[in-house]
Amino acid sequence: AQKITQTQPGMFVQEKEAVTLDCTYDTSDQSYGLFWYKQPSSGEMIFLIYQGSYDEQNATEGRYSLNFQKARKSANLVISASQLGDSAMYFCAMRGPLNTGTASKLTFGTGTRLQVTL
Amino acid sequence: NAGVTQTPKFRILKIGQSMTLQCTQDMNHNYMYWYRQDPGMGLKLIYYSVGAGITDKGEVPNGYNVSRSTTEDFPLRLELAAPSQTSVYFCASSYTRTSGGETQYFGPGTRLLVL
Repeated sequence: AQKITQTQPGMFVQEKEAVTLDCTYDTSDQSYGLFWYKQPSSGEMIFLIYQGSYDEQNATEGRYSLNFQKARKSANLVISASQLGDSAMYFCAMRGPLNTGTASKLTFGTGTRLQVTL
Repeated sequence: NAGVTQTPKFRILKIGQSMTLQCTQDMNHNYMYWYRQDPGMGLKLIYYSVGAGITDKGEVPNGYNVSRSTTEDFPLRLELAAPSQTSVYFCASSYTRTSGGETQYFGPGTRLLVL
């Protein structure tokens, strides 16, 4: 079974500073994928970044990067140069191996609420 | 493109009532999903579908039913509403690619309150 753990219920960061949101995962699969989603107060789920288990380089998307440490089973999200609009809930999620029943089923963590301050 | 649309946005049900949450996507995605999000929690998968006519259970299917007669529509049915089904329901869709990095596109959610 897959499990995602996000141990930080809430985080504060000052505008323009960088912040790291933690995510650890547990799986017995060799192939898997890791996602980060943002959920603003309006409620919609916004895809941020994806990392495949066999990707050799850490994923980056603009100000978002994923610090993937496979041996530690961690997939932390790094947001550089925080903006007020980054205030939201952030969810880490994972999928199982491709071409299996778990390939497209996402398991979510409980989320981290990020508050960006002036 | 409208993406993934859900109706209604908000609904109050009495215990024992039934209702259908509607979900439509216009991206020609083969996969569709229903999740529920309880307060302060992440999303949990209720049901999913890999194509028209094919559905399967997720993590928390009890009390729900789905059907997928077309590629575009994936309604979720609650037959006998219970207070434990008070939640926010999200529909999502994706198009599978061999890279595995396919994004699931989410609808805006339906907030359901069962009293």
